[in-house]
Amino acid sequence: EVHLVQSGGGLVQPGGSLRLSCAASGFTFSSHAMNWVRQAPGKGLEWVSYISGGARSTIYDADFVKGRFTISRDNAKNSLYLQMNSLRVEDTAVYYCARISTIFGAGGDYWGQGTLVTVSS
Amino acid sequence: DIQMTQSPATLSASVGDRVTITCRASQSISTWLAWYQQKPGKAPKLLIYKASTLEIGVPSRFSGSGSGTEFTLTISNLQPDDFATYYCQQYNSYFGQGTRLEIK
Repeated sequence: EVHLVQSGGGLVQPGGSLRLSCAASGFTFSSHAMNWVRQAPGKGLEWVSYISGGARSTIYDADFVKGRFTISRDNAKNSLYLQMNSLRVEDTAVYYCARISTIFGAGGDYWGQGTLVTVSS
Repeated sequence: DIQMTQSPATLSASVGDRVTITCRASQSISTWLAWYQQKPGKAPKLLIYKASTLEIGVPSRFSGSGSGTEFTLTISNLQPDDFATYYCQQYNSYFGQGTRLEIK
């Protein structure tokens, strides 16, 4: 059974850093692209970053990331990460990791439980 | 970047109704579009991908169509479990703003 278990959220001050993790199990993690998606309180879904599967990862970021966030993966540890630096109040959101189906263009078929990041002084 | 625009923002309907949600892309995305359902406090659930392919396990009352810049999600014979928020997403990146489907 596919599982994505997230950790690493919490309260951080503006300008601070946080690293989110997403531990995958139940499937061949290295074969799947992965996404980070966030949702601010009461707002819609917002795509954050994408990383391809395979040995050499291709990364795409939403415009607002602008070098502040870095997506990465460790296929040996079946884990996905999001390093978030220079955090702003507007980055407050629930962050989800999502597995991208190996069917080309099929979207996120499994999602983590979400982790809340609160940026506040 | 490609912008995704959903309409309406809110839709009121009754059990048994047929409803349609529209998603427009600012430029052609072929059929690289997915639809998700989200309930409060839960992660999104994939319903449809490649504009019209139903994800395994999704009831057949859900259907999708469109290509290029205009897409629709249709839900026939609305069931109580269908009242939720729906999002379109272009090829693993940007989402539409969401459509909240509420009970009339």
